[in-house]
Amino acid sequence: EAQVTQNPRYLITVTGKKLTVTCSQNMNHEYMSWYRQDPGLGLRQIYYSMNVEVTDKGDVPEGYKVSRKEKRNFPLILESPSPNQTSLYFCASTATGGGNYGYTFGSGTRLTVV
Amino acid sequence: GQQVMQIPQYQHVQEGEDFTTYCNSSTTLSNIQWYKQRPGGHPVFLIQLVKSGEVKKQKRLTFQFGEAKKNSSLHITATQTTDVGTYFCAGRAGNMLTFGGGTRLMVKP
Repeated sequence: EAQVTQNPRYLITVTGKKLTVTCSQNMNHEYMSWYRQDPGLGLRQIYYSMNVEVTDKGDVPEGYKVSRKEKRNFPLILESPSPNQTSLYFCASTATGGGNYGYTFGSGTRLTVV
Repeated sequence: GQQVMQIPQYQHVQEGEDFTTYCNSSTTLSNIQWYKQRPGGHPVFLIQLVKSGEVKKQKRLTFQFGEAKKNSSLHITATQTTDVGTYFCAGRAGNMLTFGGGTRLMVKP
C-alpha cells in the first residue's frame, strides 16, 4: 500500500530534550515536506526537500532541523524542544516539484512539550 | 510571502443544505489543490485545478478556479453527515504550496 509513515503518533517530552520524528514513504517520491498544524492557523510548512541532499526552509523553520540522506526518509529533528513547539505535525510527499501533484500525508504526530 | 486566505473558518449546516468555501490568494497561482481532513485524521488530496476558469466535479462536490487564477471555491450540494471535516485549499506559486487556514464543516443530521 502506498503510504507515508510517521512515528511516533503521540509524544510527550520535556523542554530541551532532543527528539526526532521519523517519516518514510514507499512511493519513490522526490519531494517531501513537514507541516505543523495549529488551531486557527491551518498547515504551515516547516521544511521541504526537493530530492536527496536538497532541503530548504519553509515558513516556520526556527527550532527545527531536517535531513534527506535517502529518498524515502525525511526525519524532523527538534534539538531543544520548547513548549511553543507543541503541535500536530504532518509529513507529506509528492512525486516531484512543489505542487504539480497531490500530496500524500502521514497520519500525524501529536507532540506535547512540557 | 504568498498568503492564501480561506473563508469561512467554520460553517454549520443542516443535512441536505448546500455548503461553499472560498479561497483567495495574494498572488497568481500555478495551480490550486483541495484537501479534506476528517476529525482526528490527516489531510487527503481531493483534486487539483490548473487552468484559468476551470470547473471540475466529483459527485456532489464542484470545484472552481477563478479566471485570474487567484481564487477558488468548493461547493457541496446537499450535504451529508459524511461530509463533516475541514476543507483546505492549497495554492502553488513557484516551488511552494501554501495552505489556506481551512473551513471546518459541521453537519447536523
